[in-house]
Amino acid sequence: AAGVIQSPRHLIKEKRETATLKCYPIPRHDTVYWYQQGPGQDPQFLISFYEKMQSDKGSIPDRFSAQQFSDYHSELNMSSLELGDSALYFCASTLRSGWSPLHFGNGTRLTVT
Amino acid sequence: AQKVTQAQTEISVVEKEDVTLDCVYETRDTTYYLFWYKQPPSGELVFLIRRNSFDEQNEISGRYSWNFQKSTSSFNFTITASQVVDSAVYFCALSEARYSNYQLIWGAGTKLIIKP
Repeated sequence: AAGVIQSPRHLIKEKRETATLKCYPIPRHDTVYWYQQGPGQDPQFLISFYEKMQSDKGSIPDRFSAQQFSDYHSELNMSSLELGDSALYFCASTLRSGWSPLHFGNGTRLTVT
Repeated sequence: AQKVTQAQTEISVVEKEDVTLDCVYETRDTTYYLFWYKQPPSGELVFLIRRNSFDEQNEISGRYSWNFQKSTSSFNFTITASQVVDSAVYFCALSEARYSNYQLIWGAGTKLIIKP
């Protein structure tokens, strides 16, 4: 079965650079979530989209922005990167109705040097 | 306030032993969902189970079983006859139904090490 696809798997950037992470949800899933997981920490909710509209915002810094496109894929844009942004970034998708579980992608490991 | 506590930071057992991972939650809602996710060393998050607050029936899936007890606000996870491949960080999470989306409240995770 198709899963959530994230790209790239690994990304190395320098401080103050910009990064773009991509997420392709499971087909027919209408909701996408972004999570950030620092080393040794539990995942923290950043932002979510439902039917291409932002539905909720968590602890997402102002330097980050995200959007969901007409084909339901989503991109997380991160600017003015800081060392503390180094983390595993997960995208998850679900079908909003019926409380189906969140299916996570394999994550993008971002290292800021 | 909502909260999920996984008191065991790390558990280490020898292969074939049974092991139970504890999860205690706090919520004021009567309708909520509880989850367990597995994060192996490769890093991905793997969905294991979802349980809604109205279903206290215990569940068994192969070597995995879950014990949901509303009276003690616990949702414990037991692995029977553990295997080295079970080594991972296991997260328990809570989602309240009054939120229209998955603002999961995560436990800190329990690192499970299965020694051969």
